[in-house]
Amino acid sequence: DIQMTQSPSSLSASVGGRVTITCRASHDISNYVVWFQQKPGKAPKSLIYATSSLQSGVSSRFSGSGSGTDFTLTISNLQPEDFATYYCQQYKSYPYTFGQGTRLEIK
Amino acid sequence: EAQLVESGGDLVEPGGSLRLSCGASGFTFSSFNMNWVRQAPGRGLEWISHISYGSTVIHYADSVEGRFTISRDNARNSLYLRLNNLRAEDTAVYYCAREKYYDYWIDLWGQGTLVTVSS
Repeated sequence: DIQMTQSPSSLSASVGGRVTITCRASHDISNYVVWFQQKPGKAPKSLIYATSSLQSGVSSRFSGSGSGTDFTLTISNLQPEDFATYYCQQYKSYPYTFGQGTRLEIK
Repeated sequence: EAQLVESGGDLVEPGGSLRLSCGASGFTFSSFNMNWVRQAPGRGLEWISHISYGSTVIHYADSVEGRFTISRDNARNSLYLRLNNLRAEDTAVYYCAREKYYDYWIDLWGQGTLVTVSS
């Protein structure tokens, strides 16, 4: 199985700031990574797919990069609605696996 | 608008069984691969099962293999998950999730249904 190691597990940032979340895969997964945002009590929402493609309707303040085993999600100009938990997930092969999640809090 | 609505979650005793349903609307359900993903209280996301659009390909996580069964009825636009021999660690919100057409990433989620396993 492919393990996804996500870091940090939590971070705090200010409105208007910029943050980067990292995921490392245990095997080469090419660009088969999707990033989700989840708010308390709600279902996840896809943000970025295929490492760097923005899902329709998602703000361009979200961006993704990487390939192979190392991937990042960057959120620029943080807005109050961005404070949530973020997950990476590989879809290179089954079983699909998620990172442990990163909780983004307001500083 | 494409939508997924889960139902069937309940309080069940250890060793018990349950069937979850997921109704799809607003898209051609029979053309899409589907998945179940769960989330234990206060924990992260765990993928548990996949079924292809024609039910020819099925996968399970090791944690549920042999106890859970995924199925679908394309005529009824519905996805199912049969949960047998339930354990306390199966307590979670269960989400049905659609894979992007002709791609493999999850692009649509239901709101989830809560399964609680406790005596």
